[in-house]
Amino acid sequence: QSALTQPPSASGSPGQSVTISCTGTSSDVGDYNYVSWYQHHPGKAPKLMIYDVSKRPSGVPDRFSGSKSGNTASLTVSGLQAEDEADYYCSSYADSNNLVFGGGTKLTVL
Amino acid sequence: EVQLVQSGAEVKKPGESLKISCKGSGYSFTNYWIGWVRQMPGKGLEWMGIIYPGDSDTTYSPSFQGQVTISADKSISTAYLQWSSLKASDTAMYYCARHGYGSDWYRIDYWGRGTLVTVSS
Repeated sequence: QSALTQPPSASGSPGQSVTISCTGTSSDVGDYNYVSWYQHHPGKAPKLMIYDVSKRPSGVPDRFSGSKSGNTASLTVSGLQAEDEADYYCSSYADSNNLVFGGGTKLTVL
Repeated sequence: EVQLVQSGAEVKKPGESLKISCKGSGYSFTNYWIGWVRQMPGKGLEWMGIIYPGDSDTTYSPSFQGQVTISADKSISTAYLQWSSLKASDTAMYYCARHGYGSDWYRIDYWGRGTLVTVSS
């Protein structure tokens, strides 16, 4: 079982918004603002989409946004596009210099 | 352009040793933590550990401490992941990952494409 809990799947139609959750504990997500989100198209290298809960690296569309409340972080993809279909993983810094990931969410654009 | 080029797929038998590699380019290799992430078939990502090539300081995830060895050769900008005795349960895709600068090590800003390791008798 992964350290962070994500729903296995999510879906939405083009143009809609989808939110993916990532639930941890007070030893990781709840205690640190160091949550990142990664997009992974199978066969390609994963890509950093969000870091420090809500910051976007240069080049990432502002359709991608992140937030956190308590032990749960969220990634929202607005204005869904076909190319957003991918696996999404969250990660968080955890106590004692550890890094933990979620189990991943397969996003389907209907 | 930052690139992480990983070595090719491997097929090994249980009990054999293995060392896979990841060559970094397009940035100062010695100044960024670089590490490894495992993805077992059909499963999520698992952080294994990191090394700072500048001084070889290494941190392992508790789950992988003692199971693998992470090393680096800064003279050729290459990081390694090594097993002394493979098990079938080591079958997975292994991603090389450049972590953020300095205290921002907890985020991964560049990834390799992965090395598939298959362990089967």
